Amino acid sequence: KQEVTQIPAALSVPEGENLVLNCSFTDSAIYNLQWFRQDPGKGLTSLLLIQSSQREQTSGRLNASLDKSSGRSTLYIAASQPGDSATYLCAVDQTGANNLFFGTGTRLTVIP
Amino acid sequence: DAGITQSPRHKVTETGTPVTLRCHQTENHRYMYWYRQDPGHGLRLIHYSYGVKDTDKGEVSDGYSVSRSKTEDFLLTLESATSSQTSVYFCAISEGAVNEKLFFGSGTQLSVL
Repeated sequence: KQEVTQIPAALSVPEGENLVLNCSFTDSAIYNLQWFRQDPGKGLTSLLLIQSSQREQTSGRLNASLDKSSGRSTLYIAASQPGDSATYLCAVDQTGANNLFFGTGTRLTVIP
Repeated sequence: DAGITQSPRHKVTETGTPVTLRCHQTENHRYMYWYRQDPGHGLRLIHYSYGVKDTDKGEVSDGYSVSRSKTEDFLLTLESATSSQTSVYFCAISEGAVNEKLFFGSGTQLSVL
């Protein structure tokens, strides 16, 4: 069964800092990997989707990379802002499975 | 925000009672999903639907049933609620390929006492 791990569970950084969030997965037979953001008491918001054939995707200050062979993805956030404070989750769409496999998330706090 | 409404937003019920959660969308998207979110487990798929009357089981479907009689509504029923079903339940929708570009509702906090 696919296992998705996100370390650290929580991260605090000062405003303006660039940061990297990590996601690892155990089975490389995937269709895609997705990054989501979740604000307290809210649902998830899709940020980026990387197809298995791609190496990275960018949206504004966000850049996600995928190394399928090593089972790793990173989400890079440039020039962090207090509004970036949220929990970030990665999810893997595995070949042959009905569902996305989610990590438990990294809770990011950007300190003004 | 995508037009997804979950009801109720909060519910407290007793063990052994049936409970129905509703997800309503105004986007006319094909796919609808029910997930539960628990500390330490991440989100796990309960059931999903790929069209009216077309549903399939997810990773944690035991104790749950679903129905989709209209494109816009996807109901999740706990046939006899147990304390292990205390959780936050999220509905999601997507239009294109299954599991791509999901839009999530705001969630239902369910407590089974």
